[in-house]
Formats: sequence, C-alpha cells, structure tokens
Amino acid sequence: AQKVTQAQTEISVVEKEDVTLDCVYETRDTTYYLFWYKQPPSGELVFLIRRNSFDEQNEISGRYSWNFQKSTSSFNFTITASQVVDSAVYFCALSEDRGSQGNLIFGKGTKLSVKP
Amino acid sequence: DGGITQSPKYLFRKEGQNVTLSCEQNLNHDAMYWYRQDPGQGLRLIYYSQIVNDFQKGDIAEGYSVSREKKESFPLTVTSAQKNPTAFYLCASSQNGGIQETQYFGPGTRLLVL
Repeated sequence: AQKVTQAQTEISVVEKEDVTLDCVYETRDTTYYLFWYKQPPSGELVFLIRRNSFDEQNEISGRYSWNFQKSTSSFNFTITASQVVDSAVYFCALSEDRGSQGNLIFGKGTKLSVKP
Repeated sequence: DGGITQSPKYLFRKEGQNVTLSCEQNLNHDAMYWYRQDPGQGLRLIYYSQIVNDFQKGDIAEGYSVSREKKESFPLTVTSAQKNPTAFYLCASSQNGGIQETQYFGPGTRLLVL
C-alpha cells in the first residue's frame, strides 16, 4: 500500500482558474512532517512547504495555500488564480522515522498543465 | 551562491559499463541523498549518508554504489549490475538527516543507455 497517495495523475486548467492538488498519507507515527515540492520541466525539485503533525493551521503564501487535516490524513494544496508558470509536476512527501531506510517518502506526483 | 550541483546533466552508458554521477554541495549539510525518478513515478531512495565515511542503503540500492569521503561530495556509481539504469537521478542534502529537515535538491542527471 502506498504511504503517500496523489490520486490525480494529471490536471489541466485554464489560466486564472483555481486548482486543488490532493494528497493523502498513511502513518502510525504521532510525529511526522509533510512536504510539497514543485518540479518544473527543468527537473529540479523546488521546496514549497513543510508542515509538522502537531500544527493543523492552514497556511497561505501568496496564491498558494495548504489545508492539513489529520482527521482525514490529507494535506491538500490549492493554487488560486493559476498561471502558466505554475505548470509543473507537484509532489507530496511524508517524513517519518523509518530507522535505517531514510525518512522521506514521495507520492507519484500530479502533473499540472495551465493553459493560457 | 549556496546550493547543490550535479554533473553531467546528461550521461550515456554503454552496456556493461560503470558510470559515476557527481553531486557536490556547499550548504555545509551533513546528510546527502540519491534518488531515482522514473517517468510518472515518485522519487525512490537509492542511498543516503548522514556523516562522512558512512552511508546506508535505501529502497533500491542494488546495482549502485556510493562513497562519502568528503562532506561536500557524494558520488553515485551506476554499475553494470544495474540492468535498467535509464532514469533521472536527483541528489539532495539536508542539515543532518532528521525527519523534520527539509531536503534540498540538485538539478539532476539524466542517464541513458546506448
């Protein structure tokens, strides 16, 4: 079973539309961290946000906002008034203590295409 | 400018050949990581190192080897034992490898088999 599920493989929107990218995670730990990264066509992963399991406050940064709900194990990402430059693959990731296996587990990503 | 550099950007491997991917960071981070990304897939951990002269296998270490002789450098060798090496390889680093830490990524190396 996947520990981080991004059910939307691809999303296509028209510029200025709002779009929400879903992320559902699975963990038995009480202390964990959640991340979102953006991968533009150039390939480099760009860090967007980190959230710890004890802080369920929603966060807003410009056109970006994140909704963390422990009750549904979800950490969704919304882009308001999307722009062509938002076109990228977006990854959600879970960081937990995995012992010797490293700690960051990625979802398979959602490819967002914003058309003019 | 602080950051992570990877070279080369593209690398071609012939059958039976070992190739080495370079990763250097000047962020003074202790922990470094190698991930493999296949089309339509998330990142999978190959190896990681939390300190010089020590490293651990990740989820898909078979066919790969690493060294960590310097804090700044974490080269990855793709050996001939790796039967399906064509992929995008990403190097990352974090302060000391704790679960709360953000990993920062390099620009990646795309490996193709001839």
